[in-house]
Amino acid sequence: GNSVTQMEGPVTLSEEAFLTINCTYTATGYPSLFWYVQYPGEGLQLLLKATKADDKGSNKGFEATYRKETTSFHLEKGSVQVSDSAVYFCALRSGGSYIPTFGRGTSLIVHP
Amino acid sequence: NAGVTQTPKFQVLKTGQSMTLQCAQDMNHNSMYWYRQDPGMGLRLIYYSASEGTTDKGEVPNGYNVSRLNKREFSLRLESAAPSQTSVYFCASSAVDRDTQYFGPGTRLTVL
Repeated sequence: GNSVTQMEGPVTLSEEAFLTINCTYTATGYPSLFWYVQYPGEGLQLLLKATKADDKGSNKGFEATYRKETTSFHLEKGSVQVSDSAVYFCALRSGGSYIPTFGRGTSLIVHP
Repeated sequence: NAGVTQTPKFQVLKTGQSMTLQCAQDMNHNSMYWYRQDPGMGLRLIYYSASEGTTDKGEVPNGYNVSRLNKREFSLRLESAAPSQTSVYFCASSAVDRDTQYFGPGTRLTVL
């Protein structure tokens, strides 16, 4: 079956530091890959996505590249801000499946 | 567009009481989902509805029932609440398989 593994948190950084949150997956076929973000007290919202190999998703300074050869979709940002403090979820959806697969989530804490 | 709305936002129940969580989406999406989120457990799928008129069990369906009232609305019912059902409940919708999910703001439920 499908699975998503992401690094455990919390990840604690100082403002303007470089961020990487690792995500690897196992899936049948050619899934779409997603990063969702959950701010405190809110629901999840899409941060970025990629639908085929070598695609790069980007939004709000975050980016992730769909690497089929390493089955990875790592999230990166060059300079984090305090306002980026949130929980980040990696997810995939396979074609023909109505059920998405989520990672456990990684908490990011950014200090001023 | 309001997106996905959920009511109520907060609820406290006593063990054995029943209640229905309401969810509605105005994006004309086919598929709708109910998740629960618990600390350290990530998101767990309770039930989903791939299209109007169909519902299926997810990972943790015991103690819950659902109704897909029409294309817009998908409700979750707890017939006899238990403390183990204390959680944050999220409703989500998506247009088609492999597509982005859109989440509601959540219902924070406490069962005493």
